[in-house]
Amino acid sequence: SQKIEQNSEALNIQEGKTATLTCNYTNYSPAYLQWYRQDPGRGPVFLLLIRENEKEKRKERLKVTFDTTLKQSLFHITASQPADSATYLCALGSTGSGNTGKLIFGQGTTLQVKP
Amino acid sequence: DVKVTQSSRYLVKRTGEKVFLECVQDMDHENMFWYRQDPGLGLRLIYFSYDVKMKEKGDIPEGYSVSREKKERFSLILESASTNQTSMYLCASSPGLRGNSPLHFGNGTRLTVT
Repeated sequence: SQKIEQNSEALNIQEGKTATLTCNYTNYSPAYLQWYRQDPGRGPVFLLLIRENEKEKRKERLKVTFDTTLKQSLFHITASQPADSATYLCALGSTGSGNTGKLIFGQGTTLQVKP
Repeated sequence: DVKVTQSSRYLVKRTGEKVFLECVQDMDHENMFWYRQDPGLGLRLIYFSYDVKMKEKGDIPEGYSVSREKKERFSLILESASTNQTSMYLCASSPGLRGNSPLHFGNGTRLTVT
C-alpha cells in the first residue's frame, strides 16, 4: 500500500541554522508534492508545491527538492527563526481523472527552533 | 483569502449519538474534503466531494457519511458515534478539477466521544 514517511522525532535546531526535513514515500508515483505548516490547534497551511518534473522550488527562505528516483523530498528552511517552530507535513497527489485534489499526507515532523 | 469555517472547535458526544460536523467555504471551490488527524497517523481522508451532491469515499469512510447540498457547505455525519472516532476533524477545500491545487483547511473540530 502507499506509504509516506516523515521523521517522527522532533527536530531541534539553533536559530540561524538551516533546518532540513525529509519526506520519503513508497508504492506511489506522485505527480506533485506539497508541503504544509501546522501550528498547534490550527489547520495546516499550504507552503510550497513541486511537480514531478521539477527538481527544486524556492520561496523566500524555503527550498524544496523532489527526487523521484530516490522517492524523496527534502524541505529546507534557511536562517531559521523561533517563529518557524511548527509541525511540517508533506502530501503527495496525482493528476488525472478521479484524482481531483485528493492528497495523501505524511504524519508530520515537528521543528523546534531555539533562540 | 479563502476562509474555511468549521462550526465547532470542540465537541463532546456520547457513544451512539448521531453527530454532525459542518464546514463552509467562501471561495466558490469545487472540491471539499474531510480528514481526521490522529497522533502518529497523520491526516487520513474520510470523504471528498468534487461537486454538489457528489461524494467519493476516501481511505477510511466506515462509520461516516457526508452531505453536500450546496457548493459552499460540506457536512460530515457520524451515524452512531463510537469512542474510536474521538479525533481532530479537518475540513478543506480546493478549486477546480486540476489535481494539484493547494488545500485550504479550517481550524478543525476536536471531537471527544465518551
